Amino acid sequence: AQTVTQSQPEMSVQEAETVTLSCTYDTSESDYYLFWYKQPPSRQMILVIRQEAYKQQNATENRFSVNFQKAAKSFSLKISDSQLGDAAMYFCAYRMNTGNQFYFGTGTSLTVIP
Amino acid sequence: GAVVSQHPSWVICKSGTSVKIECRSLDFQATTMFWYRQFPKQSLMLMATSNEGSKATYEQGVEKDKFLINHASLTLSTLTVTSAHPEDSSFYICSASIPGQGPNTEAFFGQGTRLTVV
Repeated sequence: AQTVTQSQPEMSVQEAETVTLSCTYDTSESDYYLFWYKQPPSRQMILVIRQEAYKQQNATENRFSVNFQKAAKSFSLKISDSQLGDAAMYFCAYRMNTGNQFYFGTGTSLTVIP
Repeated sequence: GAVVSQHPSWVICKSGTSVKIECRSLDFQATTMFWYRQFPKQSLMLMATSNEGSKATYEQGVEKDKFLINHASLTLSTLTVTSAHPEDSSFYICSASIPGQGPNTEAFFGQGTRLTVV
């Protein structure tokens, strides 16, 4: 079974600083997809960034980037120049190459300190 | 991006009554939708997979007779919490992906429904 683990229940970062959120996963598949979702206080889930496992290059989206280590089954999210609006719950998610189901981690609550 | 709309956003009901939550894909057809339950400050727990034109697939431990799912059309799935009790109070979220776009396509989420059973 696929499991996704986020070992940091809570994190905080000073505004304009950089923070890294950790995520590890367990799978026997070689082809899969990884995502980071943000859930602000409104509870609306928003996609932050995605990574295809077959790509070696780490995905980046503006201030958000990932460090994907396939052998270690690690998929961390780096937020640069943190902004107050980045405060939210962040969920790491895994999706197999087949099927539609997403497997979510336990989440990391990020606080941004002004 | 694609939009998934969930209604109502919040509902309060009396214990013993039933509540229906709707999930609509507004600009795409979704043959599959997912229903999640989320407790405060916790992750999304998959309850069931809603399949258009066939029975829903429930996760282990989820009572199918209590959480009725109907996927009557390619754009609408409903979750009915029957004979609701206070322990059913939670945040319920639906999601869907655009079919045919490959497995790297994201899941789009509804706004969620906060159910409070009194």
